[in-house]
Amino acid sequence: EAGVVQSPRYKIIEKKQPVAFWCNPISGHNTLYWYLQNLGQGPELLIRYENEEAVDDSQLPKDRFSAERLKGVDSTLKIQPAELGDSAVYLCASSNSGTGELFFGEGSRLTVL
Amino acid sequence: DAKTTQPPSMDCAEGRAANLPCNHSTISGNEYVYWYRQIHSQGPQYIIHGLKNNETNEMASLIITEDRKSSTLILPHATLRDTAVYYCIPTAGGSQGNLIFGKGTKLSVKP
Repeated sequence: EAGVVQSPRYKIIEKKQPVAFWCNPISGHNTLYWYLQNLGQGPELLIRYENEEAVDDSQLPKDRFSAERLKGVDSTLKIQPAELGDSAVYLCASSNSGTGELFFGEGSRLTVL
Repeated sequence: DAKTTQPPSMDCAEGRAANLPCNHSTISGNEYVYWYRQIHSQGPQYIIHGLKNNETNEMASLIITEDRKSSTLILPHATLRDTAVYYCIPTAGGSQGNLIFGKGTKLSVKP
């Protein structure tokens, strides 16, 4: 069974440019998460989806970050415009509703110059 | 969400048992204790979870104290591939609670 797939694996952009990350969760998982991980820190939740509904986006900086999960499957996280402080690893995870067992992708490492 | 305290780092000799402690004295009655680990440059990986009974699976054992204020993750025979950051996370899980990661414990398994 395929795991959570994320792309791109690495992205280098200049500040003020836009960037997008894509996530394909495990088939059948209706809960999807985006986490941000800074160097030396644990992952921090940005947004959680139940199917196509964002049920917790309280930590998403909505002035520059947006996310969508059309049809309740794949998801995209966008940053526009990117700032130097956005350099981090962006992790996607999925799970069956009602469990704390999350399956994570390998992450997308963003470097903003 | 319950706060956790974990040692920032630990060393373990290859082949020996690794015992990773976690203090979660403010855990709520409906919160499970989840353990994840993160190997360098990979996403976190689920290890095990429990409510109040001790649990064992193919990866590890979880010992939870009777008052549920602390727990210990045991890797019975640590290998070099077990070198990772280990996170202890109390959560109600699923729609009832998100995984809130702390800084975890960096376990270094040495030959």
